[in-house]
Amino acid sequence: DTGVSQNPRHKITKRGQNVTFRCDPISEHNRLYWYRQTLGQGPEFLTYFQNEAQLEKSRLLSDRFSAERPKGSFSTLEIQRTEQGDSAMYLCASSPQGAGGYTFGSGTRLTVV
Amino acid sequence: GNSVTQMEGPVTLSEEAFLTINCTYTATGYPSLFWYVQYPGEGLQLLLKATKADDKGSNKGFEATYRKETTSFHLEKGSVQVSDSAVYFCALSATSGSRLTFGEGTQLTVNP
Repeated sequence: DTGVSQNPRHKITKRGQNVTFRCDPISEHNRLYWYRQTLGQGPEFLTYFQNEAQLEKSRLLSDRFSAERPKGSFSTLEIQRTEQGDSAMYLCASSPQGAGGYTFGSGTRLTVV
Repeated sequence: GNSVTQMEGPVTLSEEAFLTINCTYTATGYPSLFWYVQYPGEGLQLLLKATKADDKGSNKGFEATYRKETTSFHLEKGSVQVSDSAVYFCALSATSGSRLTFGEGTQLTVNP
């Protein structure tokens, strides 16, 4: 088990472009979470999956953001028409069913120029 | 809604000093409480957790006790090392497996 894997580690994109990030959770974890972290702040919740079902979305997740977990394994987070305010670290975490810990990936740092 | 408040940073200590980082929370019911640590350029690592009142979480010399009466989960370490320099986040989850709510983080720098 290699933990939670996120790709890419860094992404620089021009304003207006679309970007997609990928998260591979720990294989036996059925819950997957996306968070956004801006400089000097704590992570903010974006969305949560249990298996392939997206169970909760934050109001921070505007219409330009979409997340999928098609087979209940890996997940993707897409941002359309990126804006400079989207620049942040995007963190993925997974957890098992029941009372378990949350394991975070190393994150994808997005810079919109 | 749920919220977590951490003491303002940054905190600068000399090696072997005593560390306390205060954390208080607002939540209904009995949340689980966590401390995470983040080293530069990396994701968050779970440091310790407590799932019910009066539980003490401990790891790597760090401790925190879940105090329901004061809604607090202060992080302590008796003797810090340079390698403890990082950002520390207090967090809660309202129910098992629900999303985490984080405090703003406290930057700790330990000088030799």
